[in-house]
Amino acid sequence: SQQGEEDPQALSIQEGENATMNCSYKTSINNLQWYRQNSGRGLVHLILIRSNEREKHSGRLRVTLDTSKKSSSLLITASRAADTASYFCATDATGGSYIPTFGRGTSLIVHP
Amino acid sequence: DGGITQSPKYLFRKEGQNVTLSCEQNLNHDAMYWYRQDPGQGLRLIYYSQIVNDFQKGDIAEGYSVSREKKESFPLTVTSAQKNPTAFYLCASQNVDEQFFGPGTRLTVL
Repeated sequence: SQQGEEDPQALSIQEGENATMNCSYKTSINNLQWYRQNSGRGLVHLILIRSNEREKHSGRLRVTLDTSKKSSSLLITASRAADTASYFCATDATGGSYIPTFGRGTSLIVHP
Repeated sequence: DGGITQSPKYLFRKEGQNVTLSCEQNLNHDAMYWYRQDPGQGLRLIYYSQIVNDFQKGDIAEGYSVSREKKESFPLTVTSAQKNPTAFYLCASQNVDEQFFGPGTRLTVL
């Protein structure tokens, strides 16, 4: 069963614009993570936000978490063509061993 | 140079054959995972292992088998019982909260 669901499924923007993608989940979590996947490659960890945090930054990435709405957003500022990839959120439910559950991902295309 | 390796990168199999996908890590991580990814889809968990000589079924374990005889290695066998095995297979190991992924193996059944 998939815990997190990303929205939108696909996003197409111009270089320099900001890209925002969202993740919604169903049950209480310990933390939420965002990963990036270039076409045909493995996933790369971007950022982790814990359930007691509301916002985190890493370079051009900004992640927010709203546990009351069971949702998170990933903002990529000043996007570049190299940001073209699929982005996944992964959550782990509270109460057990950490077994991350991934959503279907958002496919981002940044046009130069 | 630490990381996770998967081999082969591309694998072709005839129907009815078993194939084994390799996953090796030198990160000294206890936990390892196998995921399946279909086009335009997310990752679905096949099997995971949190310690040597122990492993658990994930959401789609039917038609697959694994072993964990060494900490560094977690091979996945796709058996002939798996009805639709053509997919991209990803192996990962885990350090506390973060997963580290291999480059993947693309399996095609002819």
